[in-house]
Amino acid sequence: GQQLNQSPQSMFIQEGEDVSMNCTSSSIFNTWLWYKQDPGEGPVLLIALYKAGELTSNGRLTAQFGITRKDSFLNISASIPSDVGIYFCAGTGNQFYFGTGTSLTVIP
Amino acid sequence: SAVISQKPSRDICQRGTSLTIQCQVDSQVTMMFWYRQQPGQSLTLIATANQGSEATYESGFVIDKFPISRPNLTFSTLTVSNMSPEDSSIYLCSVEANGEQYFGPGTRLTVT
Repeated sequence: GQQLNQSPQSMFIQEGEDVSMNCTSSSIFNTWLWYKQDPGEGPVLLIALYKAGELTSNGRLTAQFGITRKDSFLNISASIPSDVGIYFCAGTGNQFYFGTGTSLTVIP
Repeated sequence: SAVISQKPSRDICQRGTSLTIQCQVDSQVTMMFWYRQQPGQSLTLIATANQGSEATYESGFVIDKFPISRPNLTFSTLTVSNMSPEDSSIYLCSVEANGEQYFGPGTRLTVT
């Protein structure tokens, strides 16, 4: 099935730095979702976006639904060690499509 | 949201055997999904399971290899049949609720 292009593939940052990752698609989506997956666990939903241009925050996380409906970004401010994990975007049209994932490492 | 549990959480199986993974949801849901996640990879949809009908399989996945049951609105099973080392993966159950998808903790399968 289709996969969304997610970048960067991996990030190594210092604790306290801000993080930005994005997801692009050649198709228009109705919903964008962002998940975090810890090792040995299933993905956990962080933020859901429903309208083009929508900007939503969840604590230190902020995500936006691109105005073209073909992209979304996720920002994490003031990173902490527990932010470590793999972040996936997902888009929904007639079915769910998942991004390729961004692996985040936070160096204390 | 939905709370999903899976059993077993992990297993090590011999080549040629079969393993059945169970998925239990804390609320009634129409659609349940089974995904595979190979090491270091994203999620790949195996099939969609609706209660009372045959599961719908994605390209590359067949019922003989991955039979699915969906006896009621809160439960489903996925069987990985005649396993080979290439089947070593995390298998994830998922449900859709209010336009969002929620995942179980996954079953880590190793085939030797």
